[in-house]
Amino acid sequence: DQQVKQNSPSLSVQEGRISILNCDYTNSMFDYFLWYKKYPAEGPTFLISISSIKDKNEDGRFTVFLNKSAKHLSLHIVPSQPGDSAVYFCAASPRLQGAQKLVFGQGTRLTINP
Amino acid sequence: KAGVTQTPRYLIKTRGQQVTLSCSPISGHRSVSWYQQTPGQGLQFLFEYFSETQRNKGNFPGRFSGRQFSNSRSEMNVSTLELGDSALYLCASSLYRGNTGELFFGEGSRLTVL
Repeated sequence: DQQVKQNSPSLSVQEGRISILNCDYTNSMFDYFLWYKKYPAEGPTFLISISSIKDKNEDGRFTVFLNKSAKHLSLHIVPSQPGDSAVYFCAASPRLQGAQKLVFGQGTRLTINP
Repeated sequence: KAGVTQTPRYLIKTRGQQVTLSCSPISGHRSVSWYQQTPGQGLQFLFEYFSETQRNKGNFPGRFSGRQFSNSRSEMNVSTLELGDSALYLCASSLYRGNTGELFFGEGSRLTVL
């Protein structure tokens, strides 16, 4: 079963506007959440994370929001830039079982149009 | 500082053969994890090694195995290859096991099984 779901396989946004990527999870044992970004022919790179004790974390243009009651998190990119075009993966970590055992969503391909 | 290095980058095998993939982590990183990425399943955790010991394992059959050497370099092996093993195999390293899941990924080894 898919414990981490990204229901939108793709998203297209105009340059300068806000990009919102969504992620849902089912396992209440997850206590740390991360977003990774992947360009073609490269490995995923860490973008931003959030602990379950917080509901928001911000890093420059990137903000992650966590709604524990809804088991939902989202990544906001403001303003969106052409270089943001990539596949974004949401991941969850059951840290008690080992932080390296990340459970990934299937990814959302973000395209920023000039 | 050199990143995570994976070899070979591309390889083609036939059903029934076996394959060994290699991963050199970032210098000083002691934890190495392996993930399989396929279009249908996304990134799935294979196993994690720390101090030459397997610390965590995903839900893959016994045909998938790995090891870690004293210099933290790791190898994974897949025996009796099946068509469904065609995937991008990603290695990730981190400084130690207690971190928050911010893994550093290599570019991957793309395996095609014919």
